[in-house]
Amino acid sequence: QKEVEQNSGPLSVPEGAIASLNCTYSDRGSQSFFWYRQYSGKSPELIMFIYSNGDKEDGRFTAQLNKASQYVSLLIRDSQPSDSATYLCAVNSGGYQKVTFGTGTKLQVIP
Amino acid sequence: NAGVTQTPKFRILKIGQSMTLQCTQDMNHNYMYWYRQDPGMGLKLIYYSVGAGITDKGEVPNGYNVSRSTTEDFPLRLELAAPSQTSVYFCASSYVQGVVGELFFGEGSRLTVL
Repeated sequence: QKEVEQNSGPLSVPEGAIASLNCTYSDRGSQSFFWYRQYSGKSPELIMFIYSNGDKEDGRFTAQLNKASQYVSLLIRDSQPSDSATYLCAVNSGGYQKVTFGTGTKLQVIP
Repeated sequence: NAGVTQTPKFRILKIGQSMTLQCTQDMNHNYMYWYRQDPGMGLKLIYYSVGAGITDKGEVPNGYNVSRSTTEDFPLRLELAAPSQTSVYFCASSYVQGVVGELFFGEGSRLTVL
């Protein structure tokens, strides 16, 4: 079983819709969870992090964490074409020192 | 601030050659990482370091070596390059107190082994 799993997509949504991206992880001891956005040919950049069960909102982005189900999600409201990118879920694992990434979900926002 | 700087940005190697990818950060971060990213894939951890003089293996360390003699620098050495090492390499750093925090990435080094 992969440590961090994501659907590779592509996930296509129309402009203005809500995009929902999902991630599951295997290490129950994981403490911190991250969503990175990566545009084609660029390096990843952090957009959200969450440590506690529940929701965390930042502008159009909401991260959701359910540790019992080992599930993290990212909601993007009012999706824009500029949101088209690959979204990488990342989890700290193997103690507190390593960050493990999923394979990423490619999001396409259709104008 | 420069942040995380990687050199070179592009390199073509022949099978069996060796090279070093350089990474330096000016943020006084204690943690540094090397990841590789194959086309259409996520990031795989090669090596990481929690401070000068301390390094540890990640998921895919075979064929690579690292050293961390200073806080700022974390070079990645490829010995006897193989086509399987064709990838984009990202160096990242983080300031960590307890739980791992945000990773700051360099722009990447695209390596092709022919």
